[in-house]
Amino acid sequence: EADIYQTPRYLVIGTGKKITLECSQTMGHDKMYWYQQDPGMELHLIHYSYGVNSTEKGDLSSESTVSRIRTEHFPLTLESARPSHTSQYLCASSEGGNTEAFFGQGTRLTVV
Amino acid sequence: RKEVEQDPGPFNVPEGATVAFNCTYSNSASQSFFWYRQDCRKEPKLLMSVYSSGNEDGRFTAQLNRASQYISLLIRDSKLSDSATYLCVAWWSGNTGKLIFGQGTTLQVKP
Repeated sequence: EADIYQTPRYLVIGTGKKITLECSQTMGHDKMYWYQQDPGMELHLIHYSYGVNSTEKGDLSSESTVSRIRTEHFPLTLESARPSHTSQYLCASSEGGNTEAFFGQGTRLTVV
Repeated sequence: RKEVEQDPGPFNVPEGATVAFNCTYSNSASQSFFWYRQDCRKEPKLLMSVYSSGNEDGRFTAQLNRASQYISLLIRDSKLSDSATYLCVAWWSGNTGKLIFGQGTTLQVKP
């Protein structure tokens, strides 16, 4: 089992609220990723990081932001949640270049 | 054109059948490739890495054709428990690179 954890698992929140989705890994991996996935649809990369203080936007435009102050922690923040943000958010990490990624169990976000 | 492209299916096969999935990638500099399995409402999990020489893990065989930029996954003797979505994944460009997922191919194995 991979040591990567996401909290919360499920979140229902009102429009306009600020939320932070947490992701932590204990494997010492340099690379971390956030993917967004709607039910039955493909994974879209929204942010990634290749080390502390490095973050890049992914292929899907997202209103979220990320930070990487510590190797093990890669939180994703939505300043003002909207119903269009309703989705599953999956965090992953990998050891380095060209290696497989391990996923957390995901956060299922519903904005009402 | 998608960077990693798969036939979304669904593939409906009887138990015991052999089924093959193909995947194409557009970045010729991609160096590593993987197949992941994703069950309904779960996170993706690594099924196997794909090596240039091809590799096998039990009933699963993965092949890479760099010249044609495609990857394949063969499943022999399909089981009901193989029903899932199979994701083709390419590592994109170098040390600061990223993993790019295909849209997935859905397999439904029926009794």
